[in-house]
Amino acid sequence: DAGVTQSPTHLIKTRGQQVTLRCSPKSGHDTVSWYQQALGQGPQFIFQYYEEEERQRGNFPDRFSGHQFPNYSSELNVNALWLGDSALYLCASSGGDRSSYEQYFGPGTRLTVT
Amino acid sequence: QKEVEQDPGPLSVPEGAIVSLNCTYSNSAFQYFMWYRQYSRKGPELLMYTYSSGNKEDGRFTAQVDKSSKYISLFIRDSQPSDSATYLCAMSGNSGGSNYKLTFGKGTLLTVNP
Repeated sequence: DAGVTQSPTHLIKTRGQQVTLRCSPKSGHDTVSWYQQALGQGPQFIFQYYEEEERQRGNFPDRFSGHQFPNYSSELNVNALWLGDSALYLCASSGGDRSSYEQYFGPGTRLTVT
Repeated sequence: QKEVEQDPGPLSVPEGAIVSLNCTYSNSAFQYFMWYRQYSRKGPELLMYTYSSGNKEDGRFTAQVDKSSKYISLFIRDSQPSDSATYLCAMSGNSGGSNYKLTFGKGTLLTVNP
């Protein structure tokens, strides 16, 4: 049973560029959440997708947007990249009403903005 | 005041020691309390979750929640070098309240020395 997968593993972008990160949830999970983890910090919630809709959003600007596909996979898009967007981006999947507490994380995508 | 406070350590113990990791929080709406383990440059791994107050045991790990004090703990018995990692506490509101966001502490870096 494959766990949560994310691509790419690493990414280097220049300020002002746009980036798209991808996530495939665990088999049987229908909900995907995205988190940003800066060095030495805990993950910060960006948003959660369920039934192809953004169900809840954290305190992130509109430059951060997402999408969920009918097969439950998801994308995170970040526009107009800042140096401060450099971080580990984590995707977590969960199922149904267990989404408040049983979220399983992927390995993350490490984004470096220069 | 941050919603979740966690001493970042670092914490260094000899193999076989009992380890105590703690978090405090300020949001009384939190109902679910999770502990994650994160190895360097990897995604967080869910160790266990607890609903409301009480204790929960899983092998060498015991989680305790004291909602009256807004204080949670994770105990690791017979610690092993393979337990060396960053331990993150996370919390969320009741799923009935439509709060699926996990709020994390900064993490405590633990090293278990052989």
